[in-house]
Amino acid sequence: DAGVIQSPRHEVTEMGQEVTLRCKPISGHNSLFWYRQTMMRGLELLIYFNNNVPIDDSGMPEDRFSAKMPNASFSTLKIQPSEPRDSAVYFCASSLFGGATNEQFFGPGTRLTVL
Amino acid sequence: DAKTTQPPSMDCAEGRAANLPCNHSTISGNEYVYWYRQIHSQGPQYIIHGLKNNETNEMASLIITEDRKSSTLILPHATLRDTAVYYCIVNAGGTSYGKLTFGQGTILTVHP
Repeated sequence: DAGVIQSPRHEVTEMGQEVTLRCKPISGHNSLFWYRQTMMRGLELLIYFNNNVPIDDSGMPEDRFSAKMPNASFSTLKIQPSEPRDSAVYFCASSLFGGATNEQFFGPGTRLTVL
Repeated sequence: DAKTTQPPSMDCAEGRAANLPCNHSTISGNEYVYWYRQIHSQGPQYIIHGLKNNETNEMASLIITEDRKSSTLILPHATLRDTAVYYCIVNAGGTSYGKLTFGQGTILTVHP
């Protein structure tokens, strides 16, 4: 398996623009997580899905952020409108909840820069 | 989930064992201890986890005290590639669906 795939790997945009980050989880995994990492706040969980259903979105910073998982093999994280403080590395992770370890497999991340 | 406390940084000589401590004094009976690490510019990577017994895999060993209030991750023969931030996380599973709450972790520097 190719592991968790994220695109784009780097995104530079201007304040006010819409940004869409994409994630393809590992085939067969039933849980998907979106994280954000900054120097100031560290690694924060934004939202997680189980069987394509959002379970906990309490980490989503505000209404400008939205996440969807239309099927088991694809998820998006959208920021509209983007602001400079959204600049961070965004990681997607997937796991097989109920498996032997519940290990989360992380993607390579998307480095977002909002000017 | 219970809170964890780790030293902010540690050093280790290459080839020596690296022992990374973690306190989790408020851990509940159904909570597991997980260890992840993050090498610079990469996503975190699972290392090992345990409930109350000591565990060992190809990457590391996990020693959990009998009262479960603390644990130690052991890298038996550290290499330069083990330089990373190491996170100790307590997770209950269940309806949290394996949710992980990352703290600041321990920056481990392995030097020649």
